[in-house]
Amino acid sequence: DGGITQSPKYLFRKEGQNVTLSCEQNLNHDAMYWYRQDPGQGLRLIYYSQIVNDFQKGDIAEGYSVSREKKESFPLTVTSAQKNPTAFYLCASTMDQRGAKNIQYFGAGTRLSVL
Amino acid sequence: QQQVKQSPQSLIVQKGGISIINCAYENTAFDYFPWYQQFPGKGPALLIAIRPDVSEKKEGRFTISFNKSAKQFSLHIMDSQPGDSATYFCAASTDETSGSRLTFGEGTQLTVNP
Repeated sequence: DGGITQSPKYLFRKEGQNVTLSCEQNLNHDAMYWYRQDPGQGLRLIYYSQIVNDFQKGDIAEGYSVSREKKESFPLTVTSAQKNPTAFYLCASTMDQRGAKNIQYFGAGTRLSVL
Repeated sequence: QQQVKQSPQSLIVQKGGISIINCAYENTAFDYFPWYQQFPGKGPALLIAIRPDVSEKKEGRFTISFNKSAKQFSLHIMDSQPGDSATYFCAASTDETSGSRLTFGEGTQLTVNP
């Protein structure tokens, strides 16, 4: 089955710890995205990548880092600098890096909590 | 800076009723307006989308109404069913941005009572 796989489904972070959320897609999509979802605030863009080895900051990139070494993978690291990391994190991808009409496909999300 | 405002935050409708969710945008360069549906513990999925060259688009029980002059668009769910209970997000994007970057509204939690 084609799709986007996020892991783990639940993640707990200790104080001062960096944690990495995995996102893998087998849709052969060029662009990938990370969103943070908080109640009543919609989806806010953290980082996005239109092509391998390139990525851009979104609206709330502080305290997060990403890499795009392979087309199918776009891991997100929540660093200790992110003081309020508790949220539902969603990864998405689109077929083409150009054009604003491409559908974004989402993974099932990772729920991150602070111990 | 919230470029897409969505209301209401929550909505309760009886089975068979009409659910209406509204969105307003600021950026006149937006030219693609999708609606996403999200069930608890899942990622959002595209429900229906519209471009500003039409005022209405219908797919089954779901209809988008678009008012370009007012910079508003809305989702109507006819004959609402308990299975429609979910969170709905409106979004907008523009060809001027790279890729398919979307700006999302705050979301509306819809509950359809049996």
